[in-house]
Amino acid sequence: DAKTTQPPSMDCAEGRAANLPCNHSTISGNEYVYWYRQIHSQGPQYIIHGLKNNETNEMASLIITEDRKSSTLILPHATLRDTAVYYCIVRGGATNKLIFGTGTLLAVQP
Amino acid sequence: GAVVSQHPSWVICKSGTSVKIECRSLDFQATTMFWYRQFPKQSLMLMATSNEGSKATYEQGVEKDKFLINHASLTLSTLTVTSAHPEDSSFYICSASPATSYNEQFFGPGTRLTVL
Repeated sequence: DAKTTQPPSMDCAEGRAANLPCNHSTISGNEYVYWYRQIHSQGPQYIIHGLKNNETNEMASLIITEDRKSSTLILPHATLRDTAVYYCIVRGGATNKLIFGTGTLLAVQP
Repeated sequence: GAVVSQHPSWVICKSGTSVKIECRSLDFQATTMFWYRQFPKQSLMLMATSNEGSKATYEQGVEKDKFLINHASLTLSTLTVTSAHPEDSSFYICSASPATSYNEQFFGPGTRLTVL
């Protein structure tokens, strides 16, 4: 599986958009980009995933660059409950394993 | 829908004893379940993949004789930590993939194991 690189931490003001970047420069053609988040001492929660088109759901938007080497997760109106570690994971091929990197700790400030 | 439960949510045991952790998919059938371990301030580390009715596949460096995994039905997988020692103290998390949706994976709430 391709490796991902994320900043270790980010701050965001409550009510503002949170933009979390992820680099995955070695991604291959059949690999998807997945985003999960983990609130302290809980199991990870699925947010969104995409292949090459931008995706949006009730939680977030996922913007994938045209060369697919990076992506951005956007939480449009961050709340205090969005404070969590956000993991960007690249997965594809014959495996459905998720290999977690170090993630980004997003701290939403009041 | 797509709820995964774990039992117990926390357990404290003495060194040398064995501990069993259950992972259940409550409203779907899971052909594949995964077990992860997470130490404080670290990321999740995949331990093993289990498919219903077959032996688990362990990740490199994970002792299969120490971490026994059984996936006897489409809704239940168990992880047994045998002869637990303090260094096995960790947060153990399972996840399950529905039989009808291979690419989805739903996580349990985790089990906090403390070995004294």
